[in-house]
Amino acid sequence: GDSVTQMEGPVTLSEEAFLTINCTYTATGYPSLFWYVQYPGEGLQLLLKATKADDKGSNKGFEATYRKETTSFHLEKGSVQVSDSAVYFCAPHTGGFKTIFGAGTRLFVKA
Amino acid sequence: EAGVAQSPRYKIIEKRQSVAFWCNPISGHATLYWYQQILGQGPKLLIQFQNNGVVDDSQLPKDRFSAERLKGVDSTLKIQPAKLEDSAVYLCASSDKGTANSPLHFGNGTRLTVT
Repeated sequence: GDSVTQMEGPVTLSEEAFLTINCTYTATGYPSLFWYVQYPGEGLQLLLKATKADDKGSNKGFEATYRKETTSFHLEKGSVQVSDSAVYFCAPHTGGFKTIFGAGTRLFVKA
Repeated sequence: EAGVAQSPRYKIIEKRQSVAFWCNPISGHATLYWYQQILGQGPKLLIQFQNNGVVDDSQLPKDRFSAERLKGVDSTLKIQPAKLEDSAVYLCASSDKGTANSPLHFGNGTRLTVT
């Protein structure tokens, strides 16, 4: 069945460090790909999305590229800030318009 | 625009009791979802509605869970009777079309503790 695998956390970085959170998926058909973020005390919210191969989604300095050949959608940011501390979820939107979620990766950024 | 509203925010019940959660989606959103998020895990889809019809309830434990979406707007999710393993955050989400490109908009969730 459809599934998604995310890098295990927690990930702890110093401010201004480079961030990569890996995400790979298996899905029937041709899913759209999303990253959602959950800041402390808040609900899940959309961070970025990509809807076709080689598309790059971007928002708030974060980027992720839809790699169909490797079924991956890795999240990157060149310079993290303390305010980026949150839990990040990779979420393919698969056949039947169902969104499945990875287990989440918790990021801590130290000042 | 007003976001997805959920209530209550917190609920503590004993096992074998019943509980109900309420969700009001963003106005005009046709698709409504209920997810269960157990601590340390990603959200798991319980049921998906398109307007007032069920699209997917394959992971809903139908012996104890039920859900309805009245008039294609508000929705309630009920658990009866509750078990200890039902302790989780119950998330409601909506999207405007439910198509592959439509992102989900989430409420703040209801945290359920079953003792």
